[in-house]
Amino acid sequence: GAVVSQHPSRVICKSGTSVKIECRSLDFQATTMFWYRQFPKQSLMLMATSNEGSKATYEQGVEKDKFLINHASLTLSTLTVTSAHPEDSSFYICSARDPVPGRTEAFFGQGTRLTVV
Amino acid sequence: AQSVTQLDSQVPVFEEAPVELRCNYSSSVSVYLFWYVQYPNQGLQLLLKYLSGSTLVKGINGFEAEFNKSQTSFHLRKPSVHISDTAEYFCAVRTGANNLFFGTGTRLTVIP
Repeated sequence: GAVVSQHPSRVICKSGTSVKIECRSLDFQATTMFWYRQFPKQSLMLMATSNEGSKATYEQGVEKDKFLINHASLTLSTLTVTSAHPEDSSFYICSARDPVPGRTEAFFGQGTRLTVV
Repeated sequence: AQSVTQLDSQVPVFEEAPVELRCNYSSSVSVYLFWYVQYPNQGLQLLLKYLSGSTLVKGINGFEAEFNKSQTSFHLRKPSVHISDTAEYFCAVRTGANNLFFGTGTRLTVIP
């Protein structure tokens, strides 16, 4: 089946530094990818929709200058947390859907546990 | 707009007992419905989905769910749970090509 790979699975960084998270679709070309954030014991909250070759669409309340999204190819989207602070510590998950008609399932990456110290 | 309500944040159940995790949704248009499972520090894995047709949907790991349009529900059931079923379960809805909207999740804990 289709697979979405997310890297790294865990990262610890110092406050003020930037962290890049990669999301790759391995079996299909994803024109659209989604980035979610999950706080402990809470649900997934959509942060932004990443569109290949164009600007990402951010959800209300998400700082686009802080969470930079780049979708430069049909198989790769990146999320960069810039000038990270402890409150950015969270679990980040990407998702992609195979655009082939009839493929309605969304595939999720393994997630990235970000800890800012 | 769509919304998903999972009424039970935590469900403890003894091993080999049946379980039902509740999910209700609201939407003004037709929806696709999904149940995902999340193990600690991992992404989400699809358990099952309802797109159309038969309202009783069978998924992996012995889970099934029934779509009830009149009650706008999509409850997840398993007749006999195992220790390995301990995880977080998320109900989600999607309309057309839009993104998924998730419920707040239900923590299923299977007690030996």
